[in-house]
Amino acid sequence: GEDVEQSLFLSVREGDSSVINCTYTDSSSTYLYWYKQEPGAGLQLLTYIFSNMDMKQDQRLTVLLNKKDKHLSLRIADTQTGDSAIYFCAESSRHAGNNRKLIWGLGTSLAVNP
Amino acid sequence: DVKVTQSSRYLVKRTGEKVFLECVQDMDHENMFWYRQDPGLGLRLIYFSYDVKMKEKGDIPEGYSVSREKKERFSLILESASTNQTSMYLCASSLGQDLLETQYFGPGTRLLVL
Repeated sequence: GEDVEQSLFLSVREGDSSVINCTYTDSSSTYLYWYKQEPGAGLQLLTYIFSNMDMKQDQRLTVLLNKKDKHLSLRIADTQTGDSAIYFCAESSRHAGNNRKLIWGLGTSLAVNP
Repeated sequence: DVKVTQSSRYLVKRTGEKVFLECVQDMDHENMFWYRQDPGLGLRLIYFSYDVKMKEKGDIPEGYSVSREKKERFSLILESASTNQTSMYLCASSLGQDLLETQYFGPGTRLLVL
């Protein structure tokens, strides 16, 4: 079945760049997503990329997509302590007919050290 | 802005009780979802709904039921709560397909079953 994998932990120093990686299996994915979850809160959409794009930049966030290798990454430039959170990668996957659902990775816990 | 609200942030119930978790979205979204989130297991889809009065089983529907009588409201029901249903419950909604499948989350309900 469909699967999304990401490393569980990442630790960086404040001011450095963070790179969170994700691999997925469904080649029919239309959109791939990055969500952020702060402690005790729900998930917040950070950014998304359409499957025919290679890169998307949004302020400090850069998403890179390698469709051939089914690899997605999220780079956070100038990482701040407020970026400490769990980051989830998700791909859209065909469910029934034209309906789709999201397949989620387990989340990468990012710790930013002062 | 999309707003998804959940009826309670924290809930404590006893084994065997019937539990209702309510979710309301205010953006006329077609799709609504219930997930549970547990450490090390990520997000697991319990049930989802593509339309009023329609429901589909997710990956872990056992022990749960849902109700969607109105478009904006999606209820998760634990008919007889058990301790292994202690978890964080997250509700999400999305407008439709393709980019419209982007899911927006509520703040979560942390349920403790004693």
